Parts: sequence; structure tokens; C-alpha cells
Amino acid sequence: GAVVSQHPSRVICKSGTSVKIECRSLDFQATTMFWYRQFPKQSLMLMATSNEGSKATYEQGVEKDKFLINHASLTLSTLTVTSAHPEDSSFYICSARAGTSLRTDTQYFGPGTRLTVL
Amino acid sequence: GNSVTQMEGPVTLSEEAFLTINCTYTATGYPSLFWYVQYPGEGLQLLLKATKADDKGSNKGFEATYRKETTSFHLEKGSVQVSDSAVYFCALSSNTGKLIFGQGTTLQVKP
Repeated sequence: GAVVSQHPSRVICKSGTSVKIECRSLDFQATTMFWYRQFPKQSLMLMATSNEGSKATYEQGVEKDKFLINHASLTLSTLTVTSAHPEDSSFYICSARAGTSLRTDTQYFGPGTRLTVL
Repeated sequence: GNSVTQMEGPVTLSEEAFLTINCTYTATGYPSLFWYVQYPGEGLQLLLKATKADDKGSNKGFEATYRKETTSFHLEKGSVQVSDSAVYFCALSSNTGKLIFGQGTTLQVKP
């Protein structure tokens, strides 16, 4: 149980194009989904938190117009990197939480998406 | 603010050796504590968790005890295998619901 998938696993795009990454909770309904970015050999950096049906909450320093997040249903959230540039190349990971206990509920992570912008 | 500090890696061990990865935290209130493992090129997998003081989380031979008096959640395993080679992240979750991660510790187990 508690499986989270991401698609695609790898994407290579040209500078200036937009890329959409999907995150799905396969066997549970996710009240909250999170998007992280991870640089090589570093920890995860939280980008934004999204609840189904409402606007995402972005962390300080994350451009909301560049990283568009849509949480359309309890099992799907998407991250769109708009007008991607080489500095956006990174490993993007989503996570999902099923319950409503902010302190104790577990976040389950997807396998990640490797984005390379040429 | 809340923070998590892990021992620096890489940690290199021989197969069947005893493993300890230290983790200490700073938090207001009573956080939940987690260990996640990341294999190369993959996302994070929950290894174990503890939600209150003196709780012991355990899974796949790994265990960690929530020590409020020392604000620690050290990860231990009695006998590591080559397949345990990965990056291990300690994390806490407070009332905001956000996870605060340590910097990660790379474990290399040699046959």
C-alpha cells in the first residue's frame, strides 16, 4: 500500500519549452501533496505544498509563475516547469500524505523525475 | 526554528558490521521523527518512524528510538548488507505538516 507514482521518470527538453510532471497516489487519496527539488548529493528542498482543490502554497524563493502546481483531484497533482532553462535541470520528487494529522501522518514519496534542459 | 542534523558521510562498512547513523534535532513542541532511505536514482522510501518520546521504530533490521532528553533519533542495524548501501535521511514533522530533512548520510557497504 501507499504507492506514489511519477511520470515521466526522465525528460529532456529544449530551453524555453514547458514540461509537465505528474504525481499520482495509486492506492490512497492524498489530502496533501508536496513537491521537492533535489540537487546532486544534497538533501531535498521543499518547493510547494498543495491541497486538493485549492491553490498551492509556495516556499520562499520559489517562483510560482515558473513552477505551476495543480492539484485537480485527491489522487493527482501536476508540476509544470514553464519556459525551462538549464538551471532548472534537477531531480523533482513529489510526496503525498493521506491523513489529516499534520504531525504524525507519513509522507509517501514518488520515484522522482530527472529533468534535463538543454 | 526546526532543524535536523545528521552525521557526515560517507560511512563505509564491511558486510555484517554494526551500523549507527547519528541524528539530532531541534524543534518546538513534539515532532514526529522519520528515517527515509534513497537508493541511487530513486525517490525516498520510508524506513521507520516514531511519533512520541521513547517510541522505537523498526523495519528490515533497522531501528531507532525517539529520545526526547537527548533530542536524538539515531539509526542502528546490527549487521549490514551490501544491499543496504544507500543515502539515509533523518527528518522531523511538526505541526505544520512539513518535513524537515537532515543533509543525508551516504552508507557504503563492502563485501
